[in-house]
Amino acid sequence: QKEVEQDPGPLSVPEGAIVSLNCTYSNSAFQYFMWYRQYSRKGPELLMYTYSSGNKEDGRFTAQVDKSSKYISLFIRDSQPSDSATYLCAMSAYGGGTSYGKLTFGQGTILTVHP
Amino acid sequence: DTGVSQDPRHKITKRGQNVTFRCDPISEHNRLYWYRQTLGQGPEFLTYFQNEAQLEKSRLLSDRFSAERPKGSFSTLEIQRTEQGDSAMYLCASSSKGRDTGELFFGEGSRLTVL
Repeated sequence: QKEVEQDPGPLSVPEGAIVSLNCTYSNSAFQYFMWYRQYSRKGPELLMYTYSSGNKEDGRFTAQVDKSSKYISLFIRDSQPSDSATYLCAMSAYGGGTSYGKLTFGQGTILTVHP
Repeated sequence: DTGVSQDPRHKITKRGQNVTFRCDPISEHNRLYWYRQTLGQGPEFLTYFQNEAQLEKSRLLSDRFSAERPKGSFSTLEIQRTEQGDSAMYLCASSSKGRDTGELFFGEGSRLTVL
């Protein structure tokens, strides 16, 4: 079983829809939770970052972390065709010489927003 | 804007040949990471440098793989005696010491195809 599980989709929604993306994880040591967006043939770019449990909002994007359930979510409101990409959840733990930058990624969810 | 740059962007080689990838991180970033991403999967951590010191290596990094970061600037990743299973996107990322959050800046990757 993988440490981080993410439904690969693909997910297809109409423009303006609310999108919900989710990941579950098994490693209780994860403290930092991130969502990266990756366009085709490009490197991932950081969308949202959250430390420990809670919610964080940035424009049309909201990230939620529930450490008790080992579950994280990303919501996209008023989705746009330009949001079409692969969304990757990522997590890291720190301690014992491990860097914050040693991320464990989910498989990625392919999202298409059609006009 | 000088982001993370990687070279070459695409390399096609025959099985058994050696290949080398280069990564130039963002200039003020002292931490550098290599990840590998296969089709339909999220990136997997390979190795991490802080300045010129290689501080962590994944078990994925077999004896055929070697990474260096002389003088703490650019980094190279060499794969010797390539195998078809090495075909993947090799991603380089960097971060600054003051951002111990897992926020990585990725390059666009070097795609390796082993025939």
